[in-house]
Amino acid sequence: AQKVTQAQTEISVVEKEDVTLDCVYETRDTTYYLFWYKQPPSGELVFLIRRNSFDEQNEISGRYSWNFQKSTSSFNFTITASQVVDSAVYFCALSEARNTDKLIFGTGTRLQVFP
Amino acid sequence: NAGVTQTPKFRVLKTGQSMTLLCAQDMNHEYMYWYRQDPGMGLRLIHYSVGEGTTAKGEVPDGYNVSRLKKQNFLLGLESAAPSQTSVYFCASSYSGQGGSGANVLTFGAGSRLTVL
Repeated sequence: AQKVTQAQTEISVVEKEDVTLDCVYETRDTTYYLFWYKQPPSGELVFLIRRNSFDEQNEISGRYSWNFQKSTSSFNFTITASQVVDSAVYFCALSEARNTDKLIFGTGTRLQVFP
Repeated sequence: NAGVTQTPKFRVLKTGQSMTLLCAQDMNHEYMYWYRQDPGMGLRLIHYSVGEGTTAKGEVPDGYNVSRLKKQNFLLGLESAAPSQTSVYFCASSYSGQGGSGANVLTFGAGSRLTVL
């Protein structure tokens, strides 16, 4: 069965610090997709990134970067030089190729960035 | 472009009452989903639909029913509300659930906060 674990419930940092949000997943499939979504205080979830299991290249988008390691079943998310606007709940999610109809989320990590 | 619209945004029910949450999307998406969000539990999938006239159970379907009579609408019903159904409900849609480039790239509504007393 598919499962996503985000062990960090809440993280607090001061602005300009770097912060890494951990995501560990479980799946029996060899083909799967990993995601990160952001839920700002306004409440509406926003898609950040999708990765398929065959693409282990790290990705960087501005201050955001993602480290995908199949060997440790992890898909970690790093924010460099954090800003107050990064304060949100971040969710990691997984879907399996044999059942891509369903996207299963982790429990989320609440990030608070203080000025 | 409205995206995904949920109504109502807030509702208070008494135990045993029934209600329907409406989700409407204007992006011509095939797939639609209902999730509930509870503290410490993250988002859990209640029901989903891969097209008009089809529905399927998610992780926590008990106590809920859904219907997808029109492609753009996905209704979530509570026949007899219970306090355990107090939650924030999110509807989402995506154009595909298969391995295409947009698979599972969900567009979410703003959420509906339901309180059952």
